Amino acid sequence: DGGITQSPKYLFRKEGQNVTLSCEQNLNHDAMYWYRQDPGQGLRLIYYSQIVNDFQKGDIAEGYSVSREKKESFPLTVTSAQKNPTAFYLCASSRGGWETQYFGPGTRLLVL
Amino acid sequence: AQTVTQSQPEMSVQEAETVTLSCTYDTSESDYYLFWYKQPPSRQMILVIRQEAYKQQNATENRFSVNFQKAAKSFSLKISDSQLGDAAMYFCAYRSEGPGTSYGKLTFGQGTILTVHP
Repeated sequence: DGGITQSPKYLFRKEGQNVTLSCEQNLNHDAMYWYRQDPGQGLRLIYYSQIVNDFQKGDIAEGYSVSREKKESFPLTVTSAQKNPTAFYLCASSRGGWETQYFGPGTRLLVL
Repeated sequence: AQTVTQSQPEMSVQEAETVTLSCTYDTSESDYYLFWYKQPPSRQMILVIRQEAYKQQNATENRFSVNFQKAAKSFSLKISDSQLGDAAMYFCAYRSEGPGTSYGKLTFGQGTILTVHP
Protein backbone atom coordinates (compact mmCIF):
# COMPACT_ATOMS: atom_id res chain seq x y z
CA ASP A 1 0.00 0.00 0.00
CA GLY A 2 1.20 3.48 -0.81
CA GLY A 3 1.15 6.00 1.97
CA ILE A 4 2.85 7.86 4.76
CA THR A 5 3.83 6.16 7.99
CA GLN A 6 4.84 7.79 11.24
CA SER A 7 6.34 6.11 14.26
CA PRO A 8 5.98 5.76 17.09
CA LYS A 9 2.31 6.49 17.66
CA TYR A 10 3.08 7.71 21.20
CA LEU A 11 6.41 9.01 22.46
CA PHE A 12 7.48 10.06 25.93
CA ARG A 13 10.32 12.48 26.51
CA LYS A 14 12.21 13.09 29.71
CA GLU A 15 13.57 16.48 30.65
CA GLY A 16 16.75 17.33 28.74
CA GLN A 17 16.32 14.48 26.30
CA ASN A 18 16.33 14.63 22.51
CA VAL A 19 13.79 12.43 20.76
CA THR A 20 13.34 11.61 17.08
CA LEU A 21 10.04 11.14 15.26
CA SER A 22 10.06 9.04 12.14
CA CYS A 23 8.26 9.84 8.89
CA GLU A 24 8.45 7.57 5.84
CA GLN A 25 6.60 7.77 2.53
CA ASN A 26 6.50 5.41 -0.44
CA LEU A 27 4.56 7.77 -2.70
CA ASN A 28 7.69 8.96 -4.52
CA HIS A 29 6.92 12.49 -3.36
CA ASP A 30 9.66 15.12 -3.54
CA ALA A 31 8.32 17.46 -0.85
CA MET A 32 7.85 16.62 2.81
CA TYR A 33 6.62 18.66 5.77
CA TRP A 34 6.37 18.59 9.55
CA TYR A 35 3.49 20.25 11.37
CA ARG A 36 2.70 20.66 15.04
CA GLN A 37 -0.86 20.63 16.39
CA ASP A 38 -1.71 21.88 19.87
CA PRO A 39 -5.08 21.13 21.51
CA GLY A 40 -7.93 23.07 19.97
CA GLN A 41 -5.68 24.67 17.39
CA GLY A 42 -4.80 24.32 13.77
CA LEU A 43 -1.51 23.01 12.43
CA ARG A 44 1.66 25.07 12.33
CA LEU A 45 4.61 24.39 10.02
CA ILE A 46 7.88 23.38 11.69
CA TYR A 47 10.14 22.43 8.75
CA TYR A 48 9.76 21.51 5.12
CA SER A 49 11.92 19.92 2.46
CA GLN A 50 11.58 20.39 -1.28
CA ILE A 51 14.13 17.78 -2.24
CA VAL A 52 16.73 15.43 -0.81
CA ASN A 53 19.52 17.12 1.16
CA ASP A 54 17.59 20.38 1.35
CA PHE A 55 15.22 21.70 4.00
CA GLN A 56 13.89 25.03 5.22
CA LYS A 57 12.57 26.40 8.50
CA GLY A 58 8.87 26.94 8.89
CA ASP A 59 7.09 29.20 11.36
CA ILE A 60 8.08 27.44 14.58
CA ALA A 61 11.46 25.76 13.92
CA GLU A 62 13.14 26.72 17.21
CA GLY A 63 13.99 23.66 19.26
CA TYR A 64 13.58 21.26 16.33
CA SER A 65 15.94 19.80 13.74
CA VAL A 66 15.45 17.67 10.63
CA SER A 67 17.42 15.79 7.99
CA ARG A 68 16.56 14.63 4.49
CA GLU A 69 19.15 12.09 3.43
CA LYS A 70 16.69 9.92 1.51
CA LYS A 71 13.72 10.87 -0.61
CA GLU A 72 11.35 8.68 1.37
CA SER A 73 12.43 9.74 4.87
CA PHE A 74 12.18 13.01 6.80
CA PRO A 75 12.85 12.48 10.53
CA LEU A 76 12.18 15.23 13.05
CA THR A 77 14.26 15.61 16.22
CA VAL A 78 12.74 17.43 19.16
CA THR A 79 15.70 18.78 21.09
CA SER A 80 16.00 19.74 24.75
CA ALA A 81 15.84 23.37 23.61
CA GLN A 82 12.14 22.90 22.83
CA LYS A 83 10.63 23.87 26.18
CA ASN A 84 7.04 22.94 25.41
CA PRO A 85 7.18 19.86 23.20
CA THR A 86 3.89 18.26 24.25
CA ALA A 87 1.80 18.21 21.07
CA PHE A 88 0.59 16.10 18.18
CA TYR A 89 3.05 15.98 15.29
CA LEU A 90 1.95 15.40 11.72
CA CYS A 91 4.11 14.65 8.73
CA ALA A 92 2.91 15.34 5.21
CA SER A 93 4.20 14.90 1.69
CA SER A 94 3.37 16.09 -1.80
CA ARG A 95 4.68 15.54 -5.31
CA GLY A 96 5.90 19.11 -5.29
CA GLY A 97 5.30 22.29 -3.35
CA TRP A 98 2.38 23.19 -5.55
CA GLU A 99 0.67 19.86 -5.18
CA THR A 100 -1.83 18.67 -2.60
CA GLN A 101 -0.34 17.52 0.68
CA TYR A 102 -1.23 14.14 2.15
CA PHE A 103 -0.77 13.42 5.84
CA GLY A 104 0.50 10.58 7.97
CA PRO A 105 -1.33 9.30 11.06
CA GLY A 106 0.67 11.45 13.50
CA THR A 107 2.77 11.01 16.64
CA ARG A 108 1.65 12.13 20.08
CA LEU A 109 4.59 13.44 22.13
CA LEU A 110 4.27 13.71 25.89
CA VAL A 111 6.74 14.96 28.45
CA LEU A 112 7.35 12.90 31.60
CA ALA B 1 1.18 37.19 6.34
CA GLN B 2 -1.89 35.23 5.49
CA THR B 3 -4.42 34.34 8.17
CA VAL B 4 -7.31 31.89 8.16
CA THR B 5 -10.25 32.26 10.52
CA GLN B 6 -12.93 29.72 11.36
CA SER B 7 -15.45 31.52 13.54
CA GLN B 8 -17.49 28.45 14.52
CA PRO B 9 -15.67 26.37 17.17
CA GLU B 10 -18.49 23.81 17.13
CA MET B 11 -21.39 22.92 14.86
CA SER B 12 -23.99 20.18 14.96
CA VAL B 13 -26.32 18.66 12.40
CA GLN B 14 -28.92 15.94 12.24
CA GLU B 15 -28.17 12.93 10.13
CA ALA B 16 -29.33 13.43 6.50
CA GLU B 17 -29.49 17.20 6.94
CA THR B 18 -27.22 19.88 5.46
CA VAL B 19 -24.66 21.93 7.34
CA THR B 20 -22.36 24.77 6.30
CA LEU B 21 -18.99 25.48 7.90
CA SER B 22 -17.55 28.97 7.56
CA CYS B 23 -14.02 30.10 6.75
CA THR B 24 -12.60 33.51 5.98
CA TYR B 25 -9.05 34.38 5.07
CA ASP B 26 -6.90 37.43 4.71
CA THR B 27 -4.42 37.80 1.88
CA SER B 28 -3.10 40.35 -0.57
CA GLU B 29 -2.22 37.68 -3.09
CA SER B 30 -4.21 36.82 -6.19
CA ASP B 31 -2.92 33.29 -6.76
CA TYR B 32 -3.65 30.71 -4.10
CA TYR B 33 -5.39 27.46 -3.26
CA LEU B 34 -7.90 26.81 -0.52
CA PHE B 35 -8.53 23.47 1.14
CA TRP B 36 -10.84 21.77 3.57
CA TYR B 37 -9.31 18.95 5.59
CA LYS B 38 -11.16 16.59 7.91
CA GLN B 39 -9.63 15.22 11.11
CA PRO B 40 -11.69 12.36 12.59
CA PRO B 41 -11.04 10.95 16.08
CA SER B 42 -8.17 8.91 14.63
CA ARG B 43 -6.51 12.34 14.13
CA GLN B 44 -5.33 11.59 10.59
CA MET B 45 -5.85 14.59 8.33
CA ILE B 46 -7.91 13.76 5.27
CA LEU B 47 -8.33 16.06 2.28
CA VAL B 48 -12.00 16.81 1.64
CA ILE B 49 -11.96 19.35 -1.16
CA ARG B 50 -9.77 22.02 -2.74
CA GLN B 51 -10.38 25.18 -4.74
CA GLU B 52 -8.08 27.10 -7.05
CA ALA B 53 -8.52 30.85 -6.59
CA TYR B 54 -8.43 31.52 -10.34
CA LYS B 55 -11.45 29.27 -10.90
CA GLN B 56 -14.83 30.92 -10.51
CA GLN B 57 -16.67 27.60 -10.43
CA ASN B 58 -17.16 26.20 -6.97
CA ALA B 59 -15.54 22.83 -6.33
CA THR B 60 -17.71 19.80 -5.60
CA GLU B 61 -16.83 16.33 -4.34
CA ASN B 62 -19.89 14.11 -3.96
CA ARG B 63 -21.77 15.41 -0.88
CA PHE B 64 -19.20 18.14 -0.23
CA SER B 65 -19.24 21.48 -1.98
CA VAL B 66 -17.79 24.91 -1.38
CA ASN B 67 -19.05 28.45 -1.74
CA PHE B 68 -15.99 30.45 -2.78
CA GLN B 69 -16.41 34.20 -2.67
CA LYS B 70 -13.05 35.64 -3.71
CA ALA B 71 -13.92 39.31 -3.24
CA ALA B 72 -15.27 38.63 0.23
CA LYS B 73 -12.38 36.24 1.00
CA SER B 74 -14.83 33.62 2.13
CA PHE B 75 -14.63 29.86 1.62
CA SER B 76 -17.45 27.88 3.23
CA LEU B 77 -17.96 24.12 3.14
CA LYS B 78 -21.40 22.62 2.64
CA ILE B 79 -22.02 19.02 3.63
CA SER B 80 -25.23 17.58 2.23
CA ASP B 81 -27.02 14.47 3.46
CA SER B 82 -24.82 14.39 6.56
CA GLN B 83 -23.69 10.99 7.76
CA LEU B 84 -22.46 9.81 11.14
CA GLY B 85 -19.02 9.30 9.59
CA ASP B 86 -18.81 13.01 8.83
CA ALA B 87 -18.34 13.75 12.53
CA ALA B 88 -14.86 15.22 12.87
CA MET B 89 -12.90 18.42 13.21
CA TYR B 90 -12.77 20.33 9.95
CA PHE B 91 -9.91 22.65 9.05
CA CYS B 92 -9.81 25.30 6.39
CA ALA B 93 -6.34 25.90 4.92
CA TYR B 94 -4.68 28.38 2.57
CA ARG B 95 -1.68 27.91 0.32
CA SER B 96 0.10 30.66 -1.63
CA GLU B 97 0.95 30.10 -5.27
CA GLY B 98 2.88 33.26 -5.98
CA PRO B 99 6.66 33.71 -6.21
CA GLY B 100 8.74 34.19 -3.09
CA THR B 101 6.37 32.27 -0.87
CA SER B 102 7.17 29.45 1.48
CA TYR B 103 7.22 26.37 -0.68
CA GLY B 104 3.86 24.67 -0.35
CA LYS B 105 3.24 26.02 3.14
CA LEU B 106 -0.30 25.51 4.39
CA THR B 107 -1.81 28.04 6.79
CA PHE B 108 -4.61 26.51 8.84
CA GLY B 109 -7.62 27.89 10.66
CA GLN B 110 -8.40 26.88 14.22
CA GLY B 111 -10.88 24.20 13.21
CA THR B 112 -14.60 23.50 13.65
CA ILE B 113 -15.81 20.43 15.53
CA LEU B 114 -18.77 18.91 13.71
CA THR B 115 -21.16 16.65 15.62
CA VAL B 116 -23.69 14.55 13.70
CA HIS B 117 -26.79 13.46 15.61
CA PRO B 118 -28.62 10.27 14.57
